[in-house]
Amino acid sequence: GNSVTQMEGPVTLSEEAFLTINCTYTATGYPSLFWYVQYPGEGLQLLLKATKADDKGSNKGFEATYRKETTSFHLEKGSVQVSDSAVYFCALKGAQKLVFGQGTRLTINP
Amino acid sequence: DTAVSQTPKYLVTQMGNDKSIKCEQNLGHDTMYWYKQDSKKFLKIMFSYNNKELIINETVPNRFSPKSPDKAHLNLHINSLELGDSAVYFCASSQQGNFEKLFFGSGTQLSVL
Repeated sequence: GNSVTQMEGPVTLSEEAFLTINCTYTATGYPSLFWYVQYPGEGLQLLLKATKADDKGSNKGFEATYRKETTSFHLEKGSVQVSDSAVYFCALKGAQKLVFGQGTRLTINP
Repeated sequence: DTAVSQTPKYLVTQMGNDKSIKCEQNLGHDTMYWYKQDSKKFLKIMFSYNNKELIINETVPNRFSPKSPDKAHLNLHINSLELGDSAVYFCASSQQGNFEKLFFGSGTQLSVL
């Protein structure tokens, strides 16, 4: 069945560092892919998405490219800020539902 | 105004008890969900309701019973709580046909002792 696997956390970086959070998926066909973010004390919210192979989703300086060859959708940001500290969830579109990974906690130190 | 609100935020209870978690959304959405974040931190869907009708019922024990009195509410009742029910439960909502974009509550951390 469909599944999503993310890199183990937590991830701790200094401000302005480059960020990569790995995400790989297993699915039938080529489902839409998503990154959701959960800031402290809040619910998850959609960060970005890509609907087909080679698409790049982007928002708030974050990017992720849909790679069907490697079944991956890694999240990247060139220069992180303290305000990016959150838990990031990768997800894919299943039948009438989203299938999520386990989340990766990111902490950015000033 | 919180778009999706769930209560309580924390719930600590003894094995064997019955408890409920409430969820309300003020976004006018017609579809609501319950997700469970398990011990390995995976977020897995439990139920979804569209216009008070059950759409998705994943492999969840019968002890879990969702109730949707109207489109804006989806409550989760759990009977005979077990240690393994300890988890974070998230409520979410979306507009039918757009379940890609979910709006989540901030979660309820359930601890069964």
